[in-house]
Amino acid sequence: EVQLVESGGGLVQPGRSLKLSCAASGFTFSNYYMAWVRQAPKKGLEWVATISTSGSRTYYPDSVKGRFTISRDNAKSSLYLQMNSLKSEDTATYYCARHPTTSYVMDAWGQGASVTVSS
Amino acid sequence: DIQMTQSPASLSASLEEIVTITCQASQDIGNWLAWYQQKPGKSPQLLIYGATSLADGVPSRFSGSRSGTQYSLKISRLQVEDIGIYYCQQASSAPLTFGSGTKLEIK
Repeated sequence: EVQLVESGGGLVQPGRSLKLSCAASGFTFSNYYMAWVRQAPKKGLEWVATISTSGSRTYYPDSVKGRFTISRDNAKSSLYLQMNSLKSEDTATYYCARHPTTSYVMDAWGQGASVTVSS
Repeated sequence: DIQMTQSPASLSASLEEIVTITCQASQDIGNWLAWYQQKPGKSPQLLIYGATSLADGVPSRFSGSRSGTQYSLKISRLQVEDIGIYYCQQASSAPLTFGSGTKLEIK
């Protein structure tokens, strides 16, 4: 069974940093592109980042580019999201998600990690 | 960026009724379109990919179609367990973008 389990969420002050982790199991992690998607309270879904299988290629929307960094450790079957210079508008539930091998849809999702940016 | 215009924003329908949700892409995305269902308090789940292909384990009452840059999700006989919010997503090019969601309730 495919499982994605996020951790590392919490309350953080504006301007500070936070790092999310996602532990993957039930599939060969190194064969899949992975992504982070967020959902602000009572709002819709927003794609945050995608990383290639080796980690050599990363993709971000303008809203987080230069502040967020996606990375992975294939030996540990783990995905990460380093979030710097956090703003109140980054408050959201952050989901780890898997891209199937032939597409940029998301065919598996974690349960989410809540991040609140507030003083 | 590719904009995905989803309608309606909310929908109330009776059990066994046919329900249709649409998404309009701002430019050609081919069949690079997915639909997700998000039940209350849960993570999104993939329903449809490639505009028309059913994801594993998804009931056959769900179907997807395409007409040009307009995409539709149809639920053929609405069930209680289908309540939630439905999102479309274009997977054609970065930034990946979602529709604004359709909240589906039982009348």
